[in-house]
Amino acid sequence: EAGVAQSPRYKIIEKRQSVAFWCNPISGHATLYWYQQILGQGPKLLIQFQNNGVVDDSQLPKDRFSAERLKGVDSTLKIQPAKLEDSAVYLCASSLYRGFSYEQYFGPGTRLTVT
Amino acid sequence: TQLLEQSPQFLSIQEGENLTVYCNSSSVFSSLQWYRQEPGEGPVLLVTVVTGGEVKKLKRLTFQFGDARKDSSLHITAAQPGDTGLYLCAGAVGGSQGNLIFGKGTKLSVKP
Repeated sequence: EAGVAQSPRYKIIEKRQSVAFWCNPISGHATLYWYQQILGQGPKLLIQFQNNGVVDDSQLPKDRFSAERLKGVDSTLKIQPAKLEDSAVYLCASSLYRGFSYEQYFGPGTRLTVT
Repeated sequence: TQLLEQSPQFLSIQEGENLTVYCNSSSVFSSLQWYRQEPGEGPVLLVTVVTGGEVKKLKRLTFQFGDARKDSSLHITAAQPGDTGLYLCAGAVGGSQGNLIFGKGTKLSVKP
């Protein structure tokens, strides 16, 4: 079974530029998450989709971040314009409900450096 | 705000030693998960604990969920260099369809 795919793996941009990340979840996983992981921290949820609908985007900085999941499969996360503090690893995960909990499977992440 | 505090933040030990890392909160979680993350990779799920007082074993790793479902521990017996990584605990918020609150992690280094 293929895992969660993300691209690009690395991105370096200047502040005020825009950037987009792509995620392809595990086939059949209805729930998709985007997390931000700053160095030395645990992942912080940015947005959660169930199929192509948003379940939770309470921690997404909506003035600069946007995300979509068209057709309930692939997803893109965009930052425009980027700030220095956006430097982090952006992780995508998809999950499967096991009857008592959601088990999340993570992609390798995109490391963003904003200079 | 629900928070998970992990301790210690860093741990460096020799191969063959035993260790325990802790995950504590003032909040009750419907379930708690432990992940291991290696540099340049995403976290990988190790275990999910659901019932208060539950103990699960995964080879040399033993996971325990507190009776009140507010805390958890991970014990590693006879650590090996392959155990090196960032250990993250994550609590599930009840009724949230999988929304997880992550701790900051314990960075473990096992030296040969």
